[in-house]
Amino acid sequence: ETGVTQTPRHLVMGMTNKKSLKCEQHLGHNAMYWYKQSAKKPLELMFVYNFKEQTENNSVPSRFSPECPNSSHLFLHLHTLQPEDSALYLCASSQEGDSNSPLHFGNGTRLTVT
Amino acid sequence: DAKTTQPPSMDCAEGRAANLPCNHSTISGNEYVYWYRQIHSQGPQYIIHGLKNNETNEMASLIITEDRKSSTLILPHATLRDTAVYYCIRHSNYQLIWGAGTKLIIKP
Repeated sequence: ETGVTQTPRHLVMGMTNKKSLKCEQHLGHNAMYWYKQSAKKPLELMFVYNFKEQTENNSVPSRFSPECPNSSHLFLHLHTLQPEDSALYLCASSQEGDSNSPLHFGNGTRLTVT
Repeated sequence: DAKTTQPPSMDCAEGRAANLPCNHSTISGNEYVYWYRQIHSQGPQYIIHGLKNNETNEMASLIITEDRKSSTLILPHATLRDTAVYYCIRHSNYQLIWGAGTKLIIKP
């Protein structure tokens, strides 16, 4: 148990579907992150939310749409994805702006786009 | 360049100390060195971090050279469950650059 819960663990979707990934943290953190991990590639930061405000968007295509309704919940809305978007999507949380605070990761959602 | 350099893979015998090196020769004064590990099909797990001084916790020890250009993660008594990919990361605010890490295989 990491304190960061992601659902679903596995998701298969077609290119025309719309789905959402959910992340919840119970650690009292105020920064939340979405990362993408493709096969044979390092983790790539997608989005950062800090006190519910988006502070980083690393040139992510608009077919990925994040939402952070409060500091404990983070969503990633998906629509019209491509097969190359198949990857492990990881959520993490930490204390905002504190580089002396480690990231806590969930176990990810394994996404397959068919 | 915010990257670190790690060997792609290492083996260690079960029960022995595993020493994982990391080079971060361009690290700046306010950047922490963090170590995470990722076991297959799970999210990365935080292990330990430090700024200048050596650190120890229940999982591992972190030795940072005086010039801060390199560090070593030490797992004192490796078990089969320590088989994972180990990442050495420089951390300053939100800027974490993840490399390929070191795949550590613990052998019985």
